[in-house]
Amino acid sequence: EIVMTQSPATLSVSPGERATLSCRASQSVSNTLAWYQQKPGQAPRLLIYGASTRATGIPARFSGSGSGTEFTLTISSLQSEDFAVYYCQQYDKWPFLFGQGTKVEIK
Amino acid sequence: QLRLQESGPGLVKPSETLSLTCTVSGGSISSSNYYWGWIRQSPGKGLEWIGSIYYSGKTYYDPSLKSRVTVSVDTSRNQFSLKLYFVTAADTAVYYCARHSPAAVLYWFDPWGQGTLVTVSS
Repeated sequence: EIVMTQSPATLSVSPGERATLSCRASQSVSNTLAWYQQKPGQAPRLLIYGASTRATGIPARFSGSGSGTEFTLTISSLQSEDFAVYYCQQYDKWPFLFGQGTKVEIK
Repeated sequence: QLRLQESGPGLVKPSETLSLTCTVSGGSISSSNYYWGWIRQSPGKGLEWIGSIYYSGKTYYDPSLKSRVTVSVDTSRNQFSLKLYFVTAADTAVYYCARHSPAAVLYWFDPWGQGTLVTVSS
């Protein structure tokens, strides 16, 4: 199975600042990577698929990059509604494992 | 707009069977050519894929749960279901149903249901 490792576990950022989240795959997954945002008490919401394509309705401040084993989610200017937990997920091969998540908290 | 809604008992006794149903509205399971999946999240933990099913009935399961899981589809009711056998406290989690996108492939999950908490306790 392909293990996904996210870092850091927690990221403290001030509103308006940039946040950079990392996701590493234990073997190459090409660009078959998705990012999700989850707020407390809510289901995850798709942000990015294909490593860099924003899902419908996702603001342009969210961007994804990377391929192979190293991926990055960047939030260019954090808004109050962006403080949440972010998960990456590979869909190159099943089982479709998720990373353990990065919590973005207010600094 | 496609909507998914989980339903089922919120409390299950140890060693019994957890049974959940996902009702799909705003679209037809049988005519849409999509895969449908179950994901769970233990309290304070991350997301764990359980299994997925095609509208035709073809299934894929996480190997660690495969011996205890059955996912089925009822196209006449526009529902798909999860059964998890011989549950323990470790199966306590919020269970989500979701659709794989795009059609006909097991790719990302979108949209998701709101989730339902299932507690395993005597």
